[in-house]
Amino acid sequence: DGGITQSPKYLFRKEGQNVTLSCEQNLNHDAMYWYRQDPGQGLRLIYYSQIVNDFQKGDIAEGYSVSREKKESFPLTVTSAQKNPTAFYLCASQGQGFYGYTFGSGTRLTVV
Amino acid sequence: AQSVAQPEDQVNVAEGNPLTVKCTYSVSGNPYLFWYVQYPNRGLQFLLKYITGDNLVKGSYGFEAEFNKSQTSFHLKKPSALVSDSALYFCAVRDMNTGFQKLVFGTGTRLLVSP
Repeated sequence: DGGITQSPKYLFRKEGQNVTLSCEQNLNHDAMYWYRQDPGQGLRLIYYSQIVNDFQKGDIAEGYSVSREKKESFPLTVTSAQKNPTAFYLCASQGQGFYGYTFGSGTRLTVV
Repeated sequence: AQSVAQPEDQVNVAEGNPLTVKCTYSVSGNPYLFWYVQYPNRGLQFLLKYITGDNLVKGSYGFEAEFNKSQTSFHLKKPSALVSDSALYFCAVRDMNTGFQKLVFGTGTRLLVSP
């Protein structure tokens, strides 16, 4: 089945540690997105990529980094510079035309 | 700026009754509007979209939404609610001001359907 896979489902980070969230899609979609979800705030865009080897900052990119070396993969690194990283992170992709996004099942990151 | 507002944090309805989850939008030009549903600890699932055409849009799981240009609204509806419809619902609009296809989401409305 085609879809987006996010891993791990749960992730715990110690203070000062960088962690990487995985996002893989087999939908042959060009565009990929990372959103952060906090209670009562909806979804906020962190980074997006429209094609391989290109990505742009979203609304809340500080403390995060991404790469897009392959069409299928768009990993997100939460760096130690992100002061409040505890949240639910959602990856999405979108193909040609505009039919909305396909979302992964999310990664819940908790700082311990 | 393009935006959507979901004025209700939570909607409570009894099973079998009709439900409405409200959404209003603010865009320049013609809006592309979407509804998504999220179950606990899951990603968002697409329900329906309005791009153009009929103002009443039918989607997945018996949901529908009515586009009202004069009221700038896109309310989600279902004639008869199920307990399994209990979830978090997000309205979204395409941001036409950017060079890429960005969706702007509302803050979400929690729907609770009681037996």
